[in-house]
Amino acid sequence: AQTVTQSQPEMSVQEAETVTLSCTYDTSENNYYLFWYKQPPSRQMILVIRQEAYKQQNATENRFSVNFQKAAKSFSLKISDSQLGDTAMYFCAYCTGNQFYFGTGTSLTVIP
Amino acid sequence: DTAVSQTPKYLVTQMGNDKSIKCEQNLGHDTMYWYKQDSKKFLKIMFSYNNKELIINETVPNRFSPKSPDKAHLNLHINSLELGDSAVYFCASSRSGPLTDTQYFGPGTRLTVL
Repeated sequence: AQTVTQSQPEMSVQEAETVTLSCTYDTSENNYYLFWYKQPPSRQMILVIRQEAYKQQNATENRFSVNFQKAAKSFSLKISDSQLGDTAMYFCAYCTGNQFYFGTGTSLTVIP
Repeated sequence: DTAVSQTPKYLVTQMGNDKSIKCEQNLGHDTMYWYKQDSKKFLKIMFSYNNKELIINETVPNRFSPKSPDKAHLNLHINSLELGDSAVYFCASSRSGPLTDTQYFGPGTRLTVL
């Protein structure tokens, strides 16, 4: 069974606008971490943001922020003031213990 | 300067051959990983080593054998290559286990089996 679900295979956003990428996960654990990774056309995987499940405060990194809803098992990524360089595949990831699961990714295109 | 490096970047080979992909990290991390990304972009963990010791070994064919000569290196050897092995293989490292730390990825190796 898929542990991490990204229901939006493709999305687009106008430059300077805001976009939200969704991610849900399935777990019975209480202690885990969530991540968003970005994969541009260069294929490199780059960490965007991470969230510890025990922290109620949503993580923020510059233009990137998350909406972490633990009860709903939801972990969405908001990109503000979208830039052309944000065009990439975005992967949501969940890990607990020694297990690490990625979602199937959302392809984001920023339109000039 | 490169934190996690992989060689080669591209690898094209015939079915049935044996090949290796090398990975090195200069971050002083204790844990290293191999991932496979298929044509649909799905990323799946294959192996993880912590201080040269295997800690994660997902269900992969035993034609795949990781080797960690020291904690800065984790090489992936593949025997009897098959068409279905064509994918992008990523190496990654983290300071400790994945639960506690961010993973840093290498640039990937695109393997094409003909």
